[in-house]
Amino acid sequence: DAKTTQPNSMESNEEEPVHLPCNHSTISGTDYIHWYRQLPSQGPEYVIHGLTSNVNNRMASLAIAEDRKSSTLILHRATLRDAAVYYCIRHSSSNTGKLIFGQGTTLQVKP
Amino acid sequence: NAGVTQTPKFQVLKTGQSMTLQCAQDMNHEYMSWYRQDPGMGLRLIHYSVGAGITDQGEVPNGYNVSRSTTEDFPLRLLSAAPSQTSVYFCASSYSKFKVVIDNSPLHFGNGTRLTVT
Repeated sequence: DAKTTQPNSMESNEEEPVHLPCNHSTISGTDYIHWYRQLPSQGPEYVIHGLTSNVNNRMASLAIAEDRKSSTLILHRATLRDAAVYYCIRHSSSNTGKLIFGQGTTLQVKP
Repeated sequence: NAGVTQTPKFQVLKTGQSMTLQCAQDMNHEYMSWYRQDPGMGLRLIHYSVGAGITDQGEVPNGYNVSRSTTEDFPLRLLSAAPSQTSVYFCASSYSKFKVVIDNSPLHFGNGTRLTVT
């Protein structure tokens, strides 16, 4: 199964770091992990992706476990605008483009 | 930069009517796909295409047809609309040369079409 497993919801306080976990225990060696987020009434937007090494960009950091069976999206300082549904998906060329989203994690940020 | 453009933004259909949801991208992306999103749920893949002339089924293809005659356009057709097809539809595209780059190329999404079938 190409789906990943994420908690349904998480809460965070504004200005605090947030760690969003994702389990992908059946991942293969060539699968990339991508994270997207969906703000209310908008289409999903790309956040970050990685293969084996931890990755940083202006939006977030991605920590990938050494065995690659899980990963964590890190928002260093949550803001109210970060309240969204966060999706973790596997990009696998072996699936030739069949990119399957799970339910995602709904992040609430409290002021 | 237009990115991925979906039209219309909103549509109301009666049961049994047909219509086409349009999706166009101007980024020369080979990979395009259609998702539907029902209230409180994640995205479900309907159909996808890895290049012009090539389409394949996703998780929930029944009731929908697609074609890919050009790189830029990937229309989604509802031949006989049903209330169960009431949903928000998202089109997405990604750079993909000969399929091998899909896993390292982010998806770019349109803003969605909200469809109601009565």
